[in-house]
Amino acid sequence: SQQGEEDPQALSIQEGENATMNCSYKTSINNLQWYRQNSGRGLVHLILIRSNEREKHSGRLRVTLDTSKKSSSLLITASRAADTASYFCATLSNFGNEKLTFGTGTRLTIIP
Amino acid sequence: NAGVTQTPKFQVLKTGQSMTLQCAQDMNHNSMYWYRQDPGMGLRLIYYSASEGTTDKGEVPNGYNVSRLNKREFSLRLESAAPSQTSVYFCASSTNRGRGSPLHFGNGTRLTVT
Repeated sequence: SQQGEEDPQALSIQEGENATMNCSYKTSINNLQWYRQNSGRGLVHLILIRSNEREKHSGRLRVTLDTSKKSSSLLITASRAADTASYFCATLSNFGNEKLTFGTGTRLTIIP
Repeated sequence: NAGVTQTPKFQVLKTGQSMTLQCAQDMNHNSMYWYRQDPGMGLRLIYYSASEGTTDKGEVPNGYNVSRLNKREFSLRLESAAPSQTSVYFCASSTNRGRGSPLHFGNGTRLTVT
């Protein structure tokens, strides 16, 4: 079963614009992670935010976490063609196993 | 520094054939994982190994077996391939020094079962 669900499923924006993707999840989490996947490649870890954190930054990436709404957002500022990829959120539940559960991803296309 | 290496990159099998997907990591990570990725389904965990000598089932283990050969290597075996196992398979590893440590992924094996 999928813990995280990304929204939207697909997003196309002009180069230079900001891109926002959202992730909703169902159960209490220890942390939430965002990954990027370029076409034909494996996933690459972008950023991890813990349940007691509300916002984190890494370069042009900004992640927020709202545990009361069980949701997170990933903002990519000043988008570039190289940001074209699929983006996945993954959650570590507070219950039971130690394994990450991935969502179905958002396909981001940056139009030059 | 190669990271996580998967072989083969592509494979076509006939129904009923068997094969082993190989994975090796050179980051001295304790934990290793096998995921499958299907359109619209995200990544689903097949098996994982928290440390050398241990393996556990994930979300979709049926039809698969694994072997943690040593700290570096974690293989996935399909004993009798079925068309439902057509997928992209990813191996990943993590330090597991803290809960939910980030995963490092290989570039995948694209498997087609006819």
